[in-house]
Amino acid sequence: DGGITQSPKYLFRKEGQNVTLSCEQNLNHDAMYWYRQDPGQGLRLIYYSQIVNDFQKGDIAEGYSVSREKKESFPLTVTSAQKNPTAFYLCASSISTNTGELFFGEGSRLTVL
Amino acid sequence: DAKTTQPPSMDCAEGRAANLPCNHSTISGNEYVYWYRQIHSQGPQYIIHGLKNNETNEMASLIITEDRKSSTLILPHATLRDTAVYYCIVRVPGSGGSNYKLTFGKGTLLTVNP
Repeated sequence: DGGITQSPKYLFRKEGQNVTLSCEQNLNHDAMYWYRQDPGQGLRLIYYSQIVNDFQKGDIAEGYSVSREKKESFPLTVTSAQKNPTAFYLCASSISTNTGELFFGEGSRLTVL
Repeated sequence: DAKTTQPPSMDCAEGRAANLPCNHSTISGNEYVYWYRQIHSQGPQYIIHGLKNNETNEMASLIITEDRKSSTLILPHATLRDTAVYYCIVRVPGSGGSNYKLTFGKGTLLTVNP
């Protein structure tokens, strides 16, 4: 079935370690997104990508990095510079950034100890 | 940027219609209204969107007022599985002018009771 796959679902890391979250889609979508969600809060946009080899900062990009070397993949690295990395991370894709219909993955829950 | 205002929570009896309101009084003429929902600890799911006309699909109906300053999402026969946070979003331009992004607020927690 077509969809968005995020891995791992749960991740524990020690403070100061970089962490990479995987996001893969087989929907042939050009645009991909990373959001962060804290308990009881809405989603905040970290980075988005319109097309391969292109990405732009969202509202809270500091302490994060991304790459878009393949159309189907948009990994997110949470670096040690991110002050409060413990959160629920959601990846999404859409046909293009001109549509508001996003398809979301099931999320990755990162806990930094 | 147009912002949205939603009640933090609502209750609905199973089998009844759930009517979720959203205010977006500063919406501009070319901005669409989108609705998503998020079941606990899952990714959000797209429900429906509209510009000025009422819209209906297999999940819900969207009623947008004539002045476009508010809208209502209607789940005609709510079930327990409809318990979720519902987000009303107005699409705003992102950086670069031609790119659009969605901003998710806190939404409305709809609890469907047996």
